[in-house]
Amino acid sequence: DAGVTQTPRHEVAEKGQTIILKCEPVSGHNDLFWYRQTKIQGLELLSYFRSKSLMEDGGAFKDRFKAEMLNSSFSTLKIQPTEPKDSAVYLCASSLATGGQLYFGEGSKLTVL
Amino acid sequence: QEKVQQSPESLIVPEGAMSSLNCTFSNSASQSIWWYQQHPGKGPEALISIFSNGNKKEGRLTVYLNRASLHVSLHIRDSQPSDSAVYLCAVSRGSNYQLIWGSGTKLIIKP
Repeated sequence: DAGVTQTPRHEVAEKGQTIILKCEPVSGHNDLFWYRQTKIQGLELLSYFRSKSLMEDGGAFKDRFKAEMLNSSFSTLKIQPTEPKDSAVYLCASSLATGGQLYFGEGSKLTVL
Repeated sequence: QEKVQQSPESLIVPEGAMSSLNCTFSNSASQSIWWYQQHPGKGPEALISIFSNGNKKEGRLTVYLNRASLHVSLHIRDSQPSDSAVYLCAVSRGSNYQLIWGSGTKLIIKP
């Protein structure tokens, strides 16, 4: 079975650009999560979808971060405009059932210059 | 706000020895506690979870949960170089079972 697929694996952006990260969850999974991971802050939740409905939008990340689930098998995370402090690894995860094990992708490493 | 703290920050263990990692959480009403393993350049991978007080064993892994002391520990028996990774403790809370993550313990197994 295919796991969670994230593209691109690496992205370099200039400050002020718009970037879109993509995620394909495990087929049949109902919950989808976007996280940001940095050495200092660790894992921070950006967005959480249950059956394509947005359940949590990560509060502090609302203004420049927007996640969407276009269908049950594809999600995007848009960062607009990017800032150097957005440099991090962005992880997508899916889960078959609420409260169950999360399956993570390998992440998209974003560098903002 | 609920917090999850892990100790130690890093740990070096000889190959074949027992590795012991700790995690404390701030809310006794938390639901499940999960341990995830993360190798460099990869996403976290779930290892084991526990809900009830007591211990749970899976292969070389044993996890102990004490809700009264808000403490959970992970023990890896017969540690192997492939166990070298960052170990993340995650505690679920709320109706959405949202996970609160610790900052991780970096485990290095020395051959």
